[in-house]
Amino acid sequence: GENVEQHPSTLSVQEGDSAVIKCTYSDSASNYFPWYKQELGKRPQLIIDIRSNVGEKKDQRIAVTLNKTAKHFSLHITETQPEDSAVYFCAASGPSGSARQLTFGSGTQLTVLP
Amino acid sequence: EAQVTQNPRYLITVTGKKLTVTCSQNMNHEYMSWYRQDPGLGLRQIYYSMNVEVTDKGDVPEGYKVSRKEKRNFPLILESPSPNQTSLYFCASTLGTANTGELFFGEGSRLTVL
Repeated sequence: GENVEQHPSTLSVQEGDSAVIKCTYSDSASNYFPWYKQELGKRPQLIIDIRSNVGEKKDQRIAVTLNKTAKHFSLHITETQPEDSAVYFCAASGPSGSARQLTFGSGTQLTVLP
Repeated sequence: EAQVTQNPRYLITVTGKKLTVTCSQNMNHEYMSWYRQDPGLGLRQIYYSMNVEVTDKGDVPEGYKVSRKEKRNFPLILESPSPNQTSLYFCASTLGTANTGELFFGEGSRLTVL
């Protein structure tokens, strides 16, 4: 089955700086890669996703890049704000191409320091 | 309001005492799933269901049972809980089509087995 590795496990940045979280996956048939944000005590929520026919996708201050050849994808957050502090999970879909068969990474605790 | 509802939100029980965590969604989603979240391990899938009366094992199914008698409900059953099942549990749902991206999570159920 799919295996997803996520790094780093913790990340601290100064407010206004950028943050980058990286994930690698094992199944070359995976074609859907979402990112979920989990605020303290809350449920995970989708913040951005990318499909394998696209190399990069942006939504305001967040962006995701995908390198299919190397089987890795990354989340980029620019101009970080205190409300960006949360646990972020990457995931890969496997051949299903949908949210039905996601394998999640182990999570990154992002702390934005004021 | 579209939502996934889990109950109970918090539960402390003892080894061997059967318990059920209920999950209900009001979005007419075909697909439902259970995950457990443990520090450093991310979200791991326990069981999933593609539709009524169709269930299958995820990555960590041992010690759990599920049923899907109605489309909206997907209860998680622990027949004989053990301390290693102490965890934060999330129910989630999504549409069954391959092009749908978002997995909707419930608010989580924190279970402690003494």
